[in-house]
Amino acid sequence: DAKTTQPPSMDCAEGRAANLPCNHSTISGNEYVYWYRQIHSQGPQYIIHGLKNNETNEMASLIITEDRKSSTLILPHATLRDTAVYYCIVNGASYGKLTFGQGTILTVHP
Amino acid sequence: ETGVTQTPRHLVMGMTNKKSLKCEQHLGHNAMYWYKQSAKKPLELMFVYNFKEQTENNSVPSRFSPECPNSSHLFLHLHTLQPEDSALYLCASRQEVGGNTIYFGEGSWLTVV
Repeated sequence: DAKTTQPPSMDCAEGRAANLPCNHSTISGNEYVYWYRQIHSQGPQYIIHGLKNNETNEMASLIITEDRKSSTLILPHATLRDTAVYYCIVNGASYGKLTFGQGTILTVHP
Repeated sequence: ETGVTQTPRHLVMGMTNKKSLKCEQHLGHNAMYWYKQSAKKPLELMFVYNFKEQTENNSVPSRFSPECPNSSHLFLHLHTLQPEDSALYLCASRQEVGGNTIYFGEGSWLTVV
């Protein structure tokens, strides 16, 4: 599976959009981009995933660049409860064997 | 509520004890996983089961013994553990055919004293 690079930490004001970037320049054609988050002391929570097209669900939006080498997770109106570690993972044939990096610590402040 | 339930949520055990962690998924999935998360480290895959058969053991010491009696249940039997085995143990599941997304339980916090 391709490697991903994320900033170690980001801050966001409550009510504003949080835009979390991820680089995956070695992604191959059959690999999906997944986003999970982990709130302290809990299991990782699935957020969203995509292959080529932008995706949106009730939690977030995922914007994937046309060359698929990077993506951005958007939380449109961040709340204090969105404070967590956010993981961007590229997963292809080895479905389920997710390789977690260090992720981005997002802190939402009042 | 993710549909993956782990018990107990917290466990303290001595190095000579034998204990088990239990995972149950209510999603109709047929692949199940054990992950380990030590303090300040990324999650590490330990075991993979597909249709009740173990398909991956990621060089896990034998003091950790998994058991998958059916597609809905997964156990991790623990014996003669070391203090450095203290960690958050996470169970996850996925639909092996036609499904990509893996869903995690809340985890079991293990402390070895």
